[in-house]
Amino acid sequence: KQEVTQIPAALSVPEGENLVLNCSFTDSAIYNLQWFRQDPGKGLTSLLLIQSSQREQTSGRLNASLDKSSGRSTLYIAASQPGDSATYLCAWSGGSYIPTFGRGTSLIVHP
Amino acid sequence: EAQVTQNPRYLITVTGKKLTVTCSQNMNHEYMSWYRQDPGLGLRQIYYSMNVEVTDKGDVPEGYKVSRKEKRNFPLILESPSPNQTSLYFCASSSGQGRRGYTFGSGTRLTVV
Repeated sequence: KQEVTQIPAALSVPEGENLVLNCSFTDSAIYNLQWFRQDPGKGLTSLLLIQSSQREQTSGRLNASLDKSSGRSTLYIAASQPGDSATYLCAWSGGSYIPTFGRGTSLIVHP
Repeated sequence: EAQVTQNPRYLITVTGKKLTVTCSQNMNHEYMSWYRQDPGLGLRQIYYSMNVEVTDKGDVPEGYKVSRKEKRNFPLILESPSPNQTSLYFCASSSGQGRRGYTFGSGTRLTVV
């Protein structure tokens, strides 16, 4: 069965740092990979969606890359801010288009 | 505004009292799904639906029922809730069977006492 692993599980950094969150998957027959943000007790907000034919997607200070051959996606957050504090989840979708989620990376950015 | 709407946002109920959590999307999506989220266990899929009148079990379907009579609505039914169903529930939808990614509702916090 497909497994999606997110490393690190938790991260605490001072404001202004550039961050890299990792998402690895075991099944390289990927259709797309989606990154979400979740604030405590709230819903999932979509950040970026990378199709299998793409290498990366960018939105503001966020950049997500996809390397199918190594089974990895990274979410890069530039110049982190306290408002970036949240849990970040990645979701892998394969041929059935039913996503498999990682457990998330809990991020705290302190002033 | 394109969205997935869940109701209620918070619900406290007693063991055995049937309840329904509603989910509605206004994006004409074919695919809809229910998840539960628990600390340390992540998101687990309960049921999903590829289209009207087509539903299938996810990873943790026991104790839940769904129906898809209309494209926009996908209610989650707990016929006889138990305390182990206390959780945060999410509804999600997608078009093109996930090709454009998934949109999630704001969640329903359910407590069964």
